[in-house]
Amino acid sequence: SQTIHQWPATLVQPVGSPLSLECTVEGTSNPNLYWYRQAAGRGLQLLFYSVGIGQISSEVPQNLSASRPQDRQFILSSKKLLLSDSGFYLCAWEFHLGQGIAAADTQYFGPGTRLTVL
Amino acid sequence: QKEVEQDPGPLSVPEGAIVSLNCTYSNSAFQYFMWYRQYSRKGPELLMYTYSSGNKEDGRFTAQVDKSSKYISLFIRDSQPSDSATYLCAMSAGQAGTALIFGKGTTLSVSS
Repeated sequence: SQTIHQWPATLVQPVGSPLSLECTVEGTSNPNLYWYRQAAGRGLQLLFYSVGIGQISSEVPQNLSASRPQDRQFILSSKKLLLSDSGFYLCAWEFHLGQGIAAADTQYFGPGTRLTVL
Repeated sequence: QKEVEQDPGPLSVPEGAIVSLNCTYSNSAFQYFMWYRQYSRKGPELLMYTYSSGNKEDGRFTAQVDKSSKYISLFIRDSQPSDSATYLCAMSAGQAGTALIFGKGTTLSVSS
């Protein structure tokens, strides 16, 4: 079965420090992967998505970046964190549901990383 | 107008109540509708998936889609304290490469 891992689970970082969050997927190959940020009252904000190794699309300009060094690994980074980067970061992989005309792509989420920037 | 609107709540009900959670949307191309449940400090988990209009039932949960009104609902029968969570609707047009659009979520609290 497919599993998605994220670490660390919780992180407290000072403003201006670097960031590296990791997401790995097991049990599937060549998945489409996504990074979201969830802030209180603001819902899920899509940050990046990747359809393959080295292929990254950015949805929102910011001081974050993403990389996909391996097929089942997706990394979210920052060189200098801002207070506004605090939030709950979620990695998701795309999963095909249903058959025929009722088939659609949905997403399964990892456990998330809660980041607090002080 | 935002693509997907969802009342954030909070919604508080007693145990055993019937709960109705709703989303409205503006894009008539949406054909695939999902409900996610998110417990505090956890990632969202897929609860229900529906294609086009109609109802789908799974245990105490019923998902309903009315495409003519651009309105979807999730009903929870005999609600339990373990149903206390944030419920997010999500939808897409379904073509390859189209994004999944999420509502902001409704927070539900079921008291015993």
